[in-house]
Amino acid sequence: EIVMTQSPATLSVSPGERATLSCRASQSVSTNLAWYQQKAGQAPRLLIYGASTRATGIPARFSGSGSGTEFTLTISSLQSEDFAVYYCQQYNNWPPWTFGQGTKVEIK
Amino acid sequence: EVQLVESGGGEVQPGRSLRLSCTTSGFTFADHAMSWVRQAPGKGLEWVSFIRSKAYTGNTEYAASVKGRFTISRDDSKSIAYLQMNSLQTEDTAVYYCTRAVRLAAGGTRYYFDYWGQGTLVTVTS
Repeated sequence: EIVMTQSPATLSVSPGERATLSCRASQSVSTNLAWYQQKAGQAPRLLIYGASTRATGIPARFSGSGSGTEFTLTISSLQSEDFAVYYCQQYNNWPPWTFGQGTKVEIK
Repeated sequence: EVQLVESGGGEVQPGRSLRLSCTTSGFTFADHAMSWVRQAPGKGLEWVSFIRSKAYTGNTEYAASVKGRFTISRDDSKSIAYLQMNSLQTEDTAVYYCTRAVRLAAGGTRYYFDYWGQGTLVTVTS
C-alpha cells in the first residue's frame, strides 16, 4: 500500500498571499496524483488530476506540479473561498486508492 | 449536469446491515466505474470500494477493512450504484460518499474520482 504524507498539517495564510502545499508518496506514483478540496460540511471536489491538470471549472490560481514521489499544490493568491482542507490522492497502484491526511488552509 | 445522490444512511446497531444507494444522472452511467469513499467524523478520506463498468468486466475491489462484509453492485438500467454493508462495526461510522471513477484515456487502468455526491451519514452505535 502506498502511503501519502501531506505537509504541513495546517497552513495559516493571509488573503491574497500564496499557499504551497506538499504531498509525498512512499513510492513512485508517476503523475497519477490528484488533489481535492473539501470545505466544511461539503463533499470533496476534484481540483487537479495527472499531477498538474486542472479539473473543469477550477480557477487558474490553482496549480499542481511534481512527479514520482514529490508533489506540490500551489494557490497563487488565496481568495476567501479557498480556505478549506486539501487532500492528495494517488491512483497509480490500486487497490487501495490512498489519500494523504489533509492540509488545512486557514486564515492568518 | 452530473449528479450523484446518496441515500440509505442512518443509525444502526453493531452487527446489523444497511444498504446505501447512489442515484446518478447527467452522464451515461453504464460507461463509468463507480466507487465509495468514506470519512469518519473529524477524520480524513478513506477509499472503501470500487466497481468497473460491465464493458470492462464489472469486477469489484474492496478495502481490507471492509472486505468480506461490504458488497458493491450496480444497476445500469436504473443508473444506481449500491453498497451493501453487513456486520457493521462502530468503526464503520462515517459519511459515505459515492464517486464517479474516470480514466485519462479509454483502456487505461488508472482511475481517479471526478464527481462526488453530498454523502450520507452512517452511524453504528449500540
